[in-house]
Amino acid sequence: GAGVSQSPRYKVAKRGQDVALRCDPISGHVSLFWYQQALGQGPEFLTYFQNEAQLDKSGLPSDRFFAERPEGSVSTLKIQRTQQEDSAVYLCASSLVGTGVVFGPGTRLTVL
Amino acid sequence: AQSVTQPDIHITVSEGASLELRCNYSYGATPYLFWYVQSPGQGLQLLLKYFSGDTLVQGIKGFEAEFKRSQSSFNLRKPSVHWSDAAEYFCAVAFQAGTALIFGKGTTLSVSS
Repeated sequence: GAGVSQSPRYKVAKRGQDVALRCDPISGHVSLFWYQQALGQGPEFLTYFQNEAQLDKSGLPSDRFFAERPEGSVSTLKIQRTQQEDSAVYLCASSLVGTGVVFGPGTRLTVL
Repeated sequence: AQSVTQPDIHITVSEGASLELRCNYSYGATPYLFWYVQSPGQGLQLLLKYFSGDTLVQGIKGFEAEFKRSQSSFNLRKPSVHWSDAAEYFCAVAFQAGTALIFGKGTTLSVSS
C-alpha cells in the first residue's frame, strides 16, 4: 500500500483483557518498528523486526507484551492482561535502509 | 546513555515570525538525525533528515535544519510561520542505519495571530 496502516485505530479494553494490534507496513520495507506514545510524551521504542526476525525487543515493558511478524510483512503486537498504564497510542513504522522511517497513524488503546 | 533533548516544552510564535526549535543529542559519534511533526490525532510525518554531507538540510513545508557537530545540535528553523504549523514537533536520532529511533519529548508549537 501507499503507507503504513494500523488497525484498529481505537481500542477500548477492560482491565485484564487481551488485545491484538495489527500493522501493515509499506510493501517491500524490511524493517518494522513498534513504539508506545503516552499522552504528552515522545514515542518510546518497543521492538524491532528485520523481515521475520525480531532483532530487538529490549523496549517491551513486561512479559505481557508480545510481538510477531511471522511472514516478514504484517505484524501484530499483543498485550495480555491489559492494565491501565498500558493506555497509550501504539505506533508502527517501517523503513528500507537509506530511507526515512514512515509511521502509521497509530492505535489509541484505552484501558478502563 | 544515548539521549535526545528538546529543551523547550512549549513555544508560541506570531504568524509570519521566524521559528527555531532546539534539539541536542548525546552520543560519541554522528548519528542519523530526523525531525517529525505530529498534528492532533495524526501520525508522525517526516519533515527532514540528515544522514551525511551538507549540514544544512531542506525539508518539506518550508522547514530546514542545521547539523552542528561541535554543539551536538540539530535545530529546526522556518523563516515565516503559518497558523497551520501549530503542532507537536519531535526530534529523533538513530545511532546506526536501520535501527530504532530515539525521540525527544517534543516541543508544542502554538501560532498566534
